[in-house]
Amino acid sequence: DVKVTQSSRYLVKRTGEKVFLECVQDMDHENMFWYRQDPGLGLRLIYFSYDVKMKEKGDIPEGYSVSREKKERFSLILESASTNQTSMYLCASLSGTPMNTGELFFGEGSRLTVL
Amino acid sequence: RKEVEQDPGPFNVPEGATVAFNCTYSNSASQSFFWYRQDCRKEPKLLMSVYSSGNEDGRFTAQLNRASQYISLLIRDSKLSDSATYLCVVNNQAGTALIFGKGTTLSVSS
Repeated sequence: DVKVTQSSRYLVKRTGEKVFLECVQDMDHENMFWYRQDPGLGLRLIYFSYDVKMKEKGDIPEGYSVSREKKERFSLILESASTNQTSMYLCASLSGTPMNTGELFFGEGSRLTVL
Repeated sequence: RKEVEQDPGPFNVPEGATVAFNCTYSNSASQSFFWYRQDCRKEPKLLMSVYSSGNEDGRFTAQLNRASQYISLLIRDSKLSDSATYLCVVNNQAGTALIFGKGTTLSVSS
């Protein structure tokens, strides 16, 4: 069975703290994504990666960075958390490529609250 | 114009009803189209891909209209278990990522 694991389901952090959100997939997929989901705004793409050490900005990259040192692991980093980064963060791994009928497999999400 | 726009919803229908959702996309060169389903407090999951000729999966029918740049999802004979948020997904302009609409919420009642 396909599996995308996000290490932290719930986190509470303080403004200014550095936050790491980890995501691991076991499907040997090349493409991985980080989205955030907020009420009324839907899923918005933060960053994505199509290969080890490769990364691309999505629609809302400000305040975030990512790391992909190994194919199976894609980390989202908040260098200095702010209250407007309180959100549900969803990691996804894609079978195939975005231009074919590949399927996105999501982790269960990491709900981050920044106080 | 946003990349992917959906009916705002919510749609509240009785069991057995037929309901249709529409979605428009801005990139005329888009090649990949999908409908995902997201249950409350769960992650999104693929419902079906949308092919140029249209496709059907049981009670669900997806259509693509390239000229008007919209896709649709038709659900026949709605079940209580169809209650969820339906997300329209299209590849981005560069063809490197998948972009989601805000979703349309469906509530089926008995």
